[in-house]
Amino acid sequence: DGGITQSPKYLFRKEGQNVTLSCEQNLNHDAMYWYRQDPGQGLRLIYYSQIVNDFQKGDIAEGYSVSREKKESFPLTVTSAQKNPTAFYLCASSYRGQGGTDTQYFGPGTRLTVL
Amino acid sequence: AQSVAQPEDQVNVAEGNPLTVKCTYSVSGNPYLFWYVQYPNRGLQFLLKYITGDNLVKGSYGFEAEFNKSQTSFHLKKPSALVSDSALYFCAVRDMRYGGSQGNLIFGKGTKLSVKP
Repeated sequence: DGGITQSPKYLFRKEGQNVTLSCEQNLNHDAMYWYRQDPGQGLRLIYYSQIVNDFQKGDIAEGYSVSREKKESFPLTVTSAQKNPTAFYLCASSYRGQGGTDTQYFGPGTRLTVL
Repeated sequence: AQSVAQPEDQVNVAEGNPLTVKCTYSVSGNPYLFWYVQYPNRGLQFLLKYITGDNLVKGSYGFEAEFNKSQTSFHLKKPSALVSDSALYFCAVRDMRYGGSQGNLIFGKGTKLSVKP
């Protein structure tokens, strides 16, 4: 987990609210990723960013938004349009390039619960 | 379609015995394969990866994995299991669309390893 921080560790949201999950890294990595983890389903990619001011949708981007204004930061907003947001959210980062051989390193995660 | 399969939801092993956690993959081109471990309510920790070269890859905490191209497998192994190895293990393959340059990973659903004393 070293080098990548996520906050808060636990987050509770009322239906209809938007919430933002923080992800910061001090590894000087270019690429950052957001995954959602549900029991028995592994990790699914929400959004990813290879460079500052650029990001791409992953497999399950609906109801989520991101920004990448700084190299170190990649916040994820869970909007009210996300119908089933209760999950464990993981942020990761890696160096960019090398033809895809770089290792992704993960933060400690944020557990979001909708009340 | 690219995919990763972990055929066992749970693996039970006695402490001191060898362990194997299975992984098979389907991807176009040469695969880049990864193993991660997750302890409860924690992020994923990188164990090892196969990119090219020797089919037997050694990683952290005494784990190793064997790449078998003909069987499209990348099984995780350890000669002698510890109770502290009990955790959730994920196999992943690099998404090779666009040549893998975007760095995305495709994960299996995970295998829960339980090591009993």
